[in-house]
Amino acid sequence: GNSVTQMEGPVTLSEEAFLTINCTYTATGYPSLFWYVQYPGEGLQLLLKATKADDKGSNKGFEATYRKETTSFHLEKGSVQVSDSAVYFCALSVRTGANNLFFGTGTRLTVIP
Amino acid sequence: DTAVSQTPKYLVTQMGNDKSIKCEQNLGHDTMYWYKQDSKKFLKIMFSYNNKELIINETVPNRFSPKSPDKAHLNLHINSLELGDSAVYFCASSPTSGGHYNEQFFGPGTRLTVL
Repeated sequence: GNSVTQMEGPVTLSEEAFLTINCTYTATGYPSLFWYVQYPGEGLQLLLKATKADDKGSNKGFEATYRKETTSFHLEKGSVQVSDSAVYFCALSVRTGANNLFFGTGTRLTVIP
Repeated sequence: DTAVSQTPKYLVTQMGNDKSIKCEQNLGHDTMYWYKQDSKKFLKIMFSYNNKELIINETVPNRFSPKSPDKAHLNLHINSLELGDSAVYFCASSPTSGGHYNEQFFGPGTRLTVL
C-alpha cells in the first residue's frame, strides 16, 4: 500500500540551528513526494515537492531530495528562524484515479529565540 | 482573493444533528477533496471528486456525503453527528491534468466540535 512514516515530534530548536525531519515512504508505483507546512490556525500549504528520483525540491531555505534507493525524502534547513515554527507534513501521491495525498503524522517544530 | 474557502470556520453542534460544511475554489480546478485532521494532527483523505467520478475512502462512514453543485464547489454533509466526528475538516483542490505531480491547494479548515 501507500504510506508515509515521519519523524515523531515535537522538535524544539534554537534560532539558527540546523533542522532535519526524516521521512520515508512505501508506495505502489512511482510516487510524487511533497512537504506541506501548516502554520498555527491555518490550512496546509505546499513547501516543496519532487516528482522523480534524485530531484531536489527547495523553497524558503528548505530542501529535500527524492531518494528512491532509500525511499526517503528528508527535509532540511541550514538555519531555522522563529517564523519557521509550524507543523510539517511529508506526503506522497501516486498515479491513481484519485491522486490522493497520503500524509505522514506531521512533525511540530518550535524555534525559540 | 482566497483560492479555496470554507464555511464555517468553526462549527459546534450536538450529537445526532445533521450539518454541512461548504467549500468553494476559484482556481478553475477539476478535482476537489475532503480531508479529516484528528486531534493528533493526522490527516486522512475522505473523498476525492471530479466531474467524472467520486472516490470514497472505504473507511468513511456513510453518514458523510459530498455534494457538488458545480465544478467550483464540494460541500460535505454529515448526518447523525457523533462525538468521534470532532475534528478539523480540510477541503482541497487540484487540477486534473498533470495527475499526481500536482500540488493540492488547501482551504483554511473547519473545526467541528460535537458535544
